[in-house]
Amino acid sequence: GAVVSQHPSWVICKSGTSVKIECRSLDFQATTMFWYRQFPKQSLMLMATSNEGSKATYEQGVEKDKFLINHASLTLSTLTVTSAHPEDSSFYICSASGGDEAFFGQGTRLTVV
Amino acid sequence: DAKTTQPTSMDCAEGRAANLPCNHSTISGNEYVYWYRQIHSQGPQYIIHGLKNNETNEMASLIITEDRKSSTLILPHATLRDTAVYYCIVRVGNSWGKLQFGAGTQVVVTP
Repeated sequence: GAVVSQHPSWVICKSGTSVKIECRSLDFQATTMFWYRQFPKQSLMLMATSNEGSKATYEQGVEKDKFLINHASLTLSTLTVTSAHPEDSSFYICSASGGDEAFFGQGTRLTVV
Repeated sequence: DAKTTQPTSMDCAEGRAANLPCNHSTISGNEYVYWYRQIHSQGPQYIIHGLKNNETNEMASLIITEDRKSSTLILPHATLRDTAVYYCIVRVGNSWGKLQFGAGTQVVVTP
């Protein structure tokens, strides 16, 4: 099946710094990608829809200035957590749609210290 | 998208069939039933989906009731590697991968 790759798999950063997470569709083009966040023992929560060549659409309650999304090509979307704080520590997961299915990356564990 | 209701958890013996129920009583005519699973600390993995008819693939079978208000995912011979959270999601087929995840069912397969 189609492959979606996320990088890095895990990252530790200091409070106040920014972190960039990449999401790539390896064998198909994705005009739309999605970013989810998952806190421990909770389900995935959709953060935003990333559209190639246009602005992302954010879910209610998600700060667009804090979670910057760029979808500059049909195979790459990036999520930048700006001025990260400990409460931003979470598991971030991207997905891309291929046909009838959504393919997910392996996730990025962000820990802000 | 319609909401789904799943049991919080279930145990299954290795080698036995695991039957995972899902209620989606408010499903619309153009909404599909999708199943994903998430092994601990990994991204979700697609399992199967269907609209009206029962479906089977190499991973599982999906049984959808005639009124489409509920469905059952069947793992025919559960293995320890099937231990995961299983999510039942209903969505319009062309919604380009935007998924609303519920709490899912934590399945634990025991030796």
